[in-house]
Amino acid sequence: SQTIHQWPATLVQPVGSPLSLECTVEGTSNPNLYWYRQAAGRGLQLLFYSIGIDQISSEVPQNLSASRPQDRQFILSSKKLLLSDSGFYLCAWKENYNSPLHFGNGTRLTVT
Amino acid sequence: SQQGEEDPQALSIQEGENATMNCSYKTSINNLQWYRQNSGRGLVHLILIRSNEREKHSGRLRVTLDTSKKSSSLLITASRAADTASYFCATDDIQGGSEKLVFGKGTKLTVNP
Repeated sequence: SQTIHQWPATLVQPVGSPLSLECTVEGTSNPNLYWYRQAAGRGLQLLFYSIGIDQISSEVPQNLSASRPQDRQFILSSKKLLLSDSGFYLCAWKENYNSPLHFGNGTRLTVT
Repeated sequence: SQQGEEDPQALSIQEGENATMNCSYKTSINNLQWYRQNSGRGLVHLILIRSNEREKHSGRLRVTLDTSKKSSSLLITASRAADTASYFCATDDIQGGSEKLVFGKGTKLTVNP
């Protein structure tokens, strides 16, 4: 069966520090991968999605970037965090365009 | 940008009552999906309805889709306290690329025991 791992669960980082959030999927190959951010009490904002290695689409211009170094690994990064980067970050995967999304448990990021 | 918009933003009902949540969207879609999120957790998929389907059932859940009105509804029958959660609709975008799934802001459902 397929599983998705996302870590860390919580993170407190100072403004200006770098960020690296990692997400891996097991039990499937060539999944579509997604990063969403959710502000407190709000909906989900799509940040990046990837339909294959070296195929990453950015939805929101900001100081975040995403990479997919391996087929089932998706990394969200920042060189310098801003206060506005605080939020709940969710990684997700799906098989194809008519498949449901499967979410990780999320990372609660607080930038201080 | 938001594609789906849920209505109402918040809903409070008593156990045993039915809960209806609505979703409106803007563009042509291949499918529409409903998800549930317990506080502080990831989202869990509930139902996917394709654009050529009008209604779908799963247990106590019933989803309808009206592509002419670009709207969908999620009905939870005989609600339970454990149904308390936020519910989101998500749509793809035929023109923007069907791999891109965009969520609404959600409906926060509270079921009082």
